[in-house]
Amino acid sequence: EAGVTQFPSHSVIEKGQTVTLRCDPISGHDNLYWYRRVMGKEIKFLLHFVKESKQDESGMPNNRFLAERTGGTYSTLKVQPAELEDSGVYFCASSQDYQESNYGYTFGSGTRLTVV
Amino acid sequence: EDQVTQSPEALRLQEGESSSLNCSYTVSGLRGLFWYRQDPGKGPEFLFTLYSAGEEKEKERLKATLTKKESFLHITAPKPEDSATYLCAVQNYGGATNKLIFGTGTLLAVQP
Repeated sequence: EAGVTQFPSHSVIEKGQTVTLRCDPISGHDNLYWYRRVMGKEIKFLLHFVKESKQDESGMPNNRFLAERTGGTYSTLKVQPAELEDSGVYFCASSQDYQESNYGYTFGSGTRLTVV
Repeated sequence: EDQVTQSPEALRLQEGESSSLNCSYTVSGLRGLFWYRQDPGKGPEFLFTLYSAGEEKEKERLKATLTKKESFLHITAPKPEDSATYLCAVQNYGGATNKLIFGTGTLLAVQP
């Protein structure tokens, strides 16, 4: 079974530019989460999709961040315009409710975003 | 406010030297406590979920336990391949989502 796939693995952009991160969850997983780890801090929740609907976007830092999930499959996270404080590692995770006790959430390897 | 605190921040062990990692949590209603392992350049890898005080789970050299205020990850006779960052996270019953609230992790180094 393929895991959660994220790309790009690394992205270096200039302040003010736009970047789009993509996540392909495990096939059949209804839940898709975005998290972010800023240097020296803990991993923090950004938002949660159930299929194509946003269940909770309380962790989104501001309106420069836009997340979409097309047809309940893959998801994109767009940052426009990027600021220096947006640098960090962005993780995507997916899960199926009835499997969480045995398998938890499956995380991708993350996208390391550097804004210069 | 929900909070997770892990200690120590870093731990260096000799191969075979058993020890424990601590995860203290404050949450209005615990739905579940998760342990993850993270290797450099990788995403967190699921280890255990614990749901109620007194629950224990084991996997190879790892054993996780849960009380009403904290969880321990016991590592018995560790090997160098156990070196990684160990993350603890909680879920709160009160939220609108099953989001995880993470601690900052414990960086474990096991020397041969």
